[in-house]
Amino acid sequence: EAQVTQNPRYLITVTGKKLTVTCSQNMNHEYMSWYRQDPGLGLRQIYYSMNVEVTDKGDVPEGYKVSRKEKRNFPLILESPSPNQTSLYFCASSPTQEPSGNTIYFGEGSWLTVV
Amino acid sequence: GNSVTQMEGPVTLSEEAFLTINCTYTATGYPSLFWYVQYPGEGLQLLLKATKADDKGSNKGFEATYRKETTSFHLEKGSVQVSDSAVYFCALCPSGGNNRLAFGKGNQVVVIP
Repeated sequence: EAQVTQNPRYLITVTGKKLTVTCSQNMNHEYMSWYRQDPGLGLRQIYYSMNVEVTDKGDVPEGYKVSRKEKRNFPLILESPSPNQTSLYFCASSPTQEPSGNTIYFGEGSWLTVV
Repeated sequence: GNSVTQMEGPVTLSEEAFLTINCTYTATGYPSLFWYVQYPGEGLQLLLKATKADDKGSNKGFEATYRKETTSFHLEKGSVQVSDSAVYFCALCPSGGNNRLAFGKGNQVVVIP
């Protein structure tokens, strides 16, 4: 079954404690990205990756890091989380760099609370 | 830049009522357009899409037509059910780009029995 898997799904952490949210896809997709969803703001892109070792900033990259060492994995790293990073995070992947109507697959989301 | 605008506020309606959620966009070229649905406690699922002008996307009784002249992609369903209660997001993917979806803010739809 084609899927994008995120972990953890739910996490409460404290300010300043480094954390990583993992994302893995089993569809051999080149393109992966991270979004955060906040009430009244919709989804905003944090980082994206066109392929292995190729990453770039999205619209709201501050406070986040990513890496793409393997095609299937695209972890999101919060080096020093702060309360304003409390949000619902989605990982997404798609099969090609060109949209051409290709479906973008989303993970189930990770609820992160920073206290 | 690319942007998507959805009508403000939640939508509350009775079962079997007609649903319309407005979506307009700003983009250069010929973007692909999408509607995503998020059921309570779940992630986003693609509901329907359209890739060129005058295309109609449809799924589960929902429809949306890509109108380039009005830069719109309004979502409609003739008779909603309680199970359609969810948040609906309109999105665009720019042409020749990097799959960077631009999302609207979403509309909460609540269907009352």
